Amino acid sequence: AQTVTQSQPEMSVQEAETVTLSCTYDTSESDYYLFWYKQPPSRQMILVIRQEAYKQQNATENRFSVNFQKAAKSFSLKISDSQLGDAAMYFCAYRPYSGAGSYQLTFGKGTKLSVIP
Amino acid sequence: NAGVTQTPKFQVLKTGQSMTLQCAQDMNHNSMYWYRQDPGMGLRLIYYSASEGTTDKGEVPNGYNVSRLNKREFSLRLESAAPSQTSVYFCASRLRSYSNQPQHFGDGTRLSIL
Repeated sequence: AQTVTQSQPEMSVQEAETVTLSCTYDTSESDYYLFWYKQPPSRQMILVIRQEAYKQQNATENRFSVNFQKAAKSFSLKISDSQLGDAAMYFCAYRPYSGAGSYQLTFGKGTKLSVIP
Repeated sequence: NAGVTQTPKFQVLKTGQSMTLQCAQDMNHNSMYWYRQDPGMGLRLIYYSASEGTTDKGEVPNGYNVSRLNKREFSLRLESAAPSQTSVYFCASRLRSYSNQPQHFGDGTRLSIL
């Protein structure tokens, strides 16, 4: 079974600084997708960024980028120029590309990010 | 631009009462999902519907039933609510089960069972 581990329950960052959130996963699949979701206090689940495992290039979306290390099964999220609106729970999630498990997102337990003005 | 709409947003039930959570999406997605989120946990899949007319169990299906009413709507029913079902419930949809498209989530329903 796939598992997703976020080892940092809470983190904080000064406004305008950079922070990296960690995520590791365990899978025997070779093709899969990885996601970072943001959940602000409003409870919405907002997709931040996604990575296809077959792509070697790390995904970027404006101030958000990932460091995808397939051999190490690591998928960290870097937030640059942190803003107050970045304060939220961040969830790492995994989904295999095909097969019976491809319907299901497996989530980590989340990292609560605080942004200090 | 509604996306995924869940009703109600909040509900308090007594143990043993029944309740149906409603979910509708207007994106013409084929796949729909129900998750629950408990404190300190990520989301866990309860049931999903890969396409209209099909439903399957996820990771934590006990105590729940679902109905895929049509392509747009996917409801979650608690027949006899228990305190352990106190949680935040999320509905999500995706274009197809086997696609690279991400899931789109509703805003959640906070359900408390007394």
